[in-house]
Amino acid sequence: DTEVTQTPKHLVMGMTNKKSLKCEQHMGHRAMYWYKQKAKKPPELMFVYSYEKLSINESVPSRFSPECPNSSLLNLHLHALQPEDSALYLCASSQGRNQGGYTFGSGTRLTVV
Amino acid sequence: GENVEQHPSTLSVQEGDSAVIKCTYSDSASNYFPWYKQELGKGPQLIIDIRSNVGEKKDQRIAVTLNKTAKHFSLHITETQPEDSAVYFCAAGPNTGNQFYFGTGTSLTVIP
Repeated sequence: DTEVTQTPKHLVMGMTNKKSLKCEQHMGHRAMYWYKQKAKKPPELMFVYSYEKLSINESVPSRFSPECPNSSLLNLHLHALQPEDSALYLCASSQGRNQGGYTFGSGTRLTVV
Repeated sequence: GENVEQHPSTLSVQEGDSAVIKCTYSDSASNYFPWYKQELGKGPQLIIDIRSNVGEKKDQRIAVTLNKTAKHFSLHITETQPEDSAVYFCAAGPNTGNQFYFGTGTSLTVIP
């Protein structure tokens, strides 16, 4: 298995809703990432988990809450989002430090109404 | 932190021609340089990467060159095909961490 699987593919949520994005990989990668991508822009790093511990939080608002239940799973919990949070949310994984590039999932297209 | 610049932002070529995308970086500590291809509605896909101990790497129609002294690296696609049409991102980062920094992207269109 050489894929990163993200669910759901599309999500529409209201500003008062709580929802979660899920990401799964079975490549034995020990680093996992959340990125946010706006149209026609490069991905922007949000969070990095290394060996299931949060190692980087790029000053992301608290309405985004990451969770890494185990080495294969990564969640992003969403609460009280704003319309400007609408974007493509990408999960990625890598073997870890000095181990090469990321494998990205196809993303969750999030629309906040 | 690292600053990666990428040019051009858009590029149109005739099928069969070559395409070249250039990136510069600012942090001399960066020594890993991947290139990603992103098709519409998909996540970025790693297509080739290079480390600073190598000046050039080739994989079929794709090649990457690195000039560490000048802090720039380039992607070369030969014999372009319509399926090469996508957005391409360069990136740069140090080997000491899990993070690297993306360029602003190049939208490549291959005209049949």
